[in-house]
Amino acid sequence: DTAVSQTPKYLVTQMGNDKSIKCEQNLGHDTMYWYKQDSKKFLKIMFSYNNKELIINETVPNRFSPKSPDKAHLNLHINSLELGDSAVYFCASSQIRDRGNEKLFFGSGTQLSVL
Amino acid sequence: GENVEQHPSTLSVQEGDSAVIKCTYSDSASNYFPWYKQELGKRPQLIIDIRSNVGEKKDQRIAVTLNKTAKHFSLHITETQPEDSAVYFCAATHSSGGSYIPTFGRGTSLIVHP
Repeated sequence: DTAVSQTPKYLVTQMGNDKSIKCEQNLGHDTMYWYKQDSKKFLKIMFSYNNKELIINETVPNRFSPKSPDKAHLNLHINSLELGDSAVYFCASSQIRDRGNEKLFFGSGTQLSVL
Repeated sequence: GENVEQHPSTLSVQEGDSAVIKCTYSDSASNYFPWYKQELGKRPQLIIDIRSNVGEKKDQRIAVTLNKTAKHFSLHITETQPEDSAVYFCAATHSSGGSYIPTFGRGTSLIVHP
């Protein structure tokens, strides 16, 4: 009954490869996010997406792209992986239309290691 | 866009002492200020939040204060326990029902010594 689930938990891959991380939420939320947490623990927003609007942090390389097949899923695709992409990636969701419930529910994170 | 500064980056206290973490924000339109706790190897989880129409909120040993004029807010933990050891993140958000991007501070690593 995990509210926000993401897979895989660990991802080890070679430079130059293309990989995807999947995220699903069963909370009925209208907005989903991807955050990158670096080795210094900084949580950097990458994308915010509801079924109407995708907001992209302009500092995110275009090698990263979110894909939402439906309201409950927001997958993260990464092309041509680089060493600097190594980090923990967190998916999150919230219900922004329901004022008073905007808190973020995070997935358990995906530890990406690029060799 | 919003910019959130958080201090200190590391805070070490003895069990039973109080701990205070401070954040400042830049966007006067921000109206929702959550705090998240992240234990080692775990996901961040909300521990308390406050809205711009409220000056203070308390939940057992934790409290948050907001000074909207000065654009700063603080987390107070009293009677700290070893299980309070974690990284704490503040965030500031402009919640309007449209776009909604929580901007996080850089985190405070709290260490409570038994």
